[in-house]
Amino acid sequence: DTAVSQTPKYLVTQMGNDKSIKCEQNLGHDTMYWYKQDSKKFLKIMFSYNNKELIINETVPNRFSPKSPDKAHLNLHINSLELGDSAVYFCASSFRTGGNYGYTFGSGTRLTVV
Amino acid sequence: DAKTTQPPSMDCAEGRAANLPCNHSTISGNEYVYWYRQIHSQGPQYIIHGLKNNETNEMASLIITEDRKSSTLILPHATLRDTAVYYCIVSTGGGNKLTFGTGTQLKVEL
Repeated sequence: DTAVSQTPKYLVTQMGNDKSIKCEQNLGHDTMYWYKQDSKKFLKIMFSYNNKELIINETVPNRFSPKSPDKAHLNLHINSLELGDSAVYFCASSFRTGGNYGYTFGSGTRLTVV
Repeated sequence: DAKTTQPPSMDCAEGRAANLPCNHSTISGNEYVYWYRQIHSQGPQYIIHGLKNNETNEMASLIITEDRKSSTLILPHATLRDTAVYYCIVSTGGGNKLTFGTGTQLKVEL
């Protein structure tokens, strides 16, 4: 199936740990994103990569580091996890040029920091 | 990206048309109107988008006013599975970020 897939779907971890979330898309898109949805359900962009190049970097703590080994993958590594990092993280992808395409989102990774 | 204003909630009877309004009075000439929905914490799902003309696809219709300051998403025959938060977003697209507001919680009832 063509899709944006994220792993893991659920992640429970203790404060201070380091964790990674992986994202892969097989849609042939050249741009990938990470969005965060907090407990109040607000969806906010964190990062965007185009062909392995960082193009959007919102005000995110530097404990969060995205890595894009190729244009089909965008991983999110989080160091020294804090309680406030608990949220649902969504990966998405799209084409870079033109407004004629929608964005495709993954099903999310629910991160719980205890 | 321009901001949008949507009603916080709407109800619709199953089988009836659901008309979801959106105001985007500060939209720029190169910005598209996108609609997404999120069903119970799943990933947002693209529904439809348009620039100036009305658009229709298998999911919905999008009506954009001539001055482009507002639009309406129409689900012609709403079902219980259409219960979701619907987001109206304006963006130039093309890799730029989508700025999500609070959306409209649509509840479809029997």
